[in-house]
Amino acid sequence: NAGVTQTPKFQVLKTGQSMTLQCAQDMNHEYMSWYRQDPGMGLRLIHYSVGAGITDQGEVPNGYNVSRSTTEDFPLRLLSAAPSQTSVYFCASSYWGEQYFGPGTRLTVT
Amino acid sequence: DAKTTQPTSMDCAEGRAANLPCNHSTISGNEYVYWYRQIHSQGPQYIIHGLKNNETNEMASLIITEDRKSSTLILPHATLRDTAVYYCIVRVAEETGNQFYFGTGTSLTVIP
Repeated sequence: NAGVTQTPKFQVLKTGQSMTLQCAQDMNHEYMSWYRQDPGMGLRLIHYSVGAGITDQGEVPNGYNVSRSTTEDFPLRLLSAAPSQTSVYFCASSYWGEQYFGPGTRLTVT
Repeated sequence: DAKTTQPTSMDCAEGRAANLPCNHSTISGNEYVYWYRQIHSQGPQYIIHGLKNNETNEMASLIITEDRKSSTLILPHATLRDTAVYYCIVRVAEETGNQFYFGTGTSLTVIP
C-alpha cells in the first residue's frame, strides 16, 4: 500500500491564481480530511468527507473547495490564492479513529 | 467541543521516561483521547488512543484519570528520535463524521 499520497510536494502561486492540491489513498478509507499548518502552529481542519459524495466544512473553510467523487481521491481547490493561504497542507484518511497523514504540500503564495 | 490544554514545551533526558500531560476537563463520556506526534515537518503520526482504561502499545502508554479530565502519555525510554511535537486530541463524534481538532501541542526535546 502507498498509504496517503499528495501532489505536488511544493508549489508557488501568484495572488489570484487557482490550483488543485491532489490527495489519494489506497486503504479504502471512508473518512478523509484536509488540514493546514502555519509556522509554529498546530493543524487546523479545512474540510472533511465521510464518504464519496459527502463533504463538510471544518474550522477554516473559506477560500477552499473540495469534492469527493470517489473513495480514493479528495482534491482541495484554492479558488483565488491569497498570501494568507501560504501554509503546509496535509491530507489524512481514516476508517474510524486512527488517521493516516500524507507527506504534505508546501504552498507559497506571493 | 471538548478542548485540550498541554504545556508548550518539555525536555527529557535520553533513556528516561517522558511523561506528557494533557488536560481535557470538558470531555464527554463518549469522547476518546488520541495522541499524535509530528517529527519536524512530516505528517503527524498516530501513537495511541483510549476511552477510560489505561492503554499500552509498542510506542507508549496512556494513563487516563478516573474522572477522565486529564491524561498522561508516557514514552518509557525516550530516544533522540522521539524529539517531536506531541498533540493530545479529544475526538468529537458528530452525526456526519468524526472530526479531529489539533491544538498547538507539546514540543518535546530529548537531550543526550
